[in-house]
Amino acid sequence: DAKTTQPPSMDCAEGRAANLPCNHSTISGNEYVYWYRQIHSQGPQYIIHGLKNNETNEMASLIITEDRKSSTLILPHATLRDTAVYYCIVRVANSGNTPLVFGKGTRLSVIA
Amino acid sequence: DAGVIQSPRHEVTEMGQEVTLRCKPISGHNSLFWYRQTMMRGLELLIYFNNNVPIDDSGMPEDRFSAKMPNASFSTLKIQPSEPRDSAVYFCASSLPGRGIHEQYFGPGTRLTVT
Repeated sequence: DAKTTQPPSMDCAEGRAANLPCNHSTISGNEYVYWYRQIHSQGPQYIIHGLKNNETNEMASLIITEDRKSSTLILPHATLRDTAVYYCIVRVANSGNTPLVFGKGTRLSVIA
Repeated sequence: DAGVIQSPRHEVTEMGQEVTLRCKPISGHNSLFWYRQTMMRGLELLIYFNNNVPIDDSGMPEDRFSAKMPNASFSTLKIQPSEPRDSAVYFCASSLPGRGIHEQYFGPGTRLTVT
């Protein structure tokens, strides 16, 4: 079972920041927070991951609360192409050879 | 890099027929995963391999499903006989575990329709 809770859907205006929340209150000390997204009719795509520090890459920023019980994925300037289902996943560190457990994710609709 | 390659992209078959889905992982990756996606159940793991060896097949629905990985460059998922409830999108993913490597790379999926 997924160990995260996400809102089922969100809307965001094009050009604005999209802030997607995730609750993971039972996260263990050795578990990372990962974000993937799935654009319609495509396979899931890795976005970003983090342990306890905030992280940023060319796609997004990840803000993790100090107690690590929740996090927020930020798409700083959302475009129509960011419309997708976003999955928040917790996972043991350096476990690239183990499966991902997907929840239901958040369906983000970016509106022109 | 061509990414994870899956074939066919679409498959329509009649109930009772055998279906074979194929996957070519990214060159050099040594972990391969088969996932299935339906509206009712979302994305769920069927089976995964490390270094061509099946590690966990507890997600395989029943004996009608089988998967093989004869070498590092190829895997198949077979359904025999197929049933309408097998209709879904089947994704293959690969990864290269190692220090600092965290990503799984997914193929485009095979959309299976069993009538």
